[in-house]
Amino acid sequence: GENVEQHPSTLSVQEGDSAVIKCTYSDSASNYFPWYKQELGKGPQLIIDIRSNVGEKKDQRIAVTLNKTAKHFSLHITETQPEDSAVYFCAAIDSGNTPLVFGKGTRLSVIA
Amino acid sequence: KAGVTQTPRYLIKTRGQQVTLSCSPISGHRSVSWYQQTPGQGLQFLFEYFSETQRNKGNFPGRFSGRQFSNSRSEMNVSTLELGDSALYLCASSRTGSGANEKLFFGSGTQLSVL
Repeated sequence: GENVEQHPSTLSVQEGDSAVIKCTYSDSASNYFPWYKQELGKGPQLIIDIRSNVGEKKDQRIAVTLNKTAKHFSLHITETQPEDSAVYFCAAIDSGNTPLVFGKGTRLSVIA
Repeated sequence: KAGVTQTPRYLIKTRGQQVTLSCSPISGHRSVSWYQQTPGQGLQFLFEYFSETQRNKGNFPGRFSGRQFSNSRSEMNVSTLELGDSALYLCASSRTGSGANEKLFFGSGTQLSVL
């Protein structure tokens, strides 16, 4: 089955700097890669996703890149703000009838 | 539109007891998935229900079970609780679930503490 590795497990950045979180996956059949953000006391919320036919996707200050050959994808947050502090999860899924597989999460702290 | 509702928000149980958690999905969503979240282990998939049928099951012991009702509401049950079952249990709903590359909508979870 699919296995998703996520790094780093914790990340601290100064406000205004960029943050990058990286994930690798094992199943070459995976074709959908969402990113979820979990704030304290809340459930994860989808912030951006990318499909295998696209190499990069941007939404304001966040972007995701995908390298299918290397089987890795990354989340980029620019101009970080204190409200970006949260736990971020990457995930992967193939087109079969299988559940979403999550990485173990990255705790991002943005220091004002 | 109401989000995913999980009850109760907090639970404290002792070893050997059993517990039932409830999840009401977003109206119109037929798939409900359950995840266990523990520090350092991330989100571990428990099972998914679609139209009252279990469609997928994760690698958890048989003490963990679930069901879905005709109105798509779901419950999960853990019997003979162990200390290691202490975790945040998250429910997520989507229109059609697994393999559909759909957005999952999560509830805020039930924090279970086993003493």
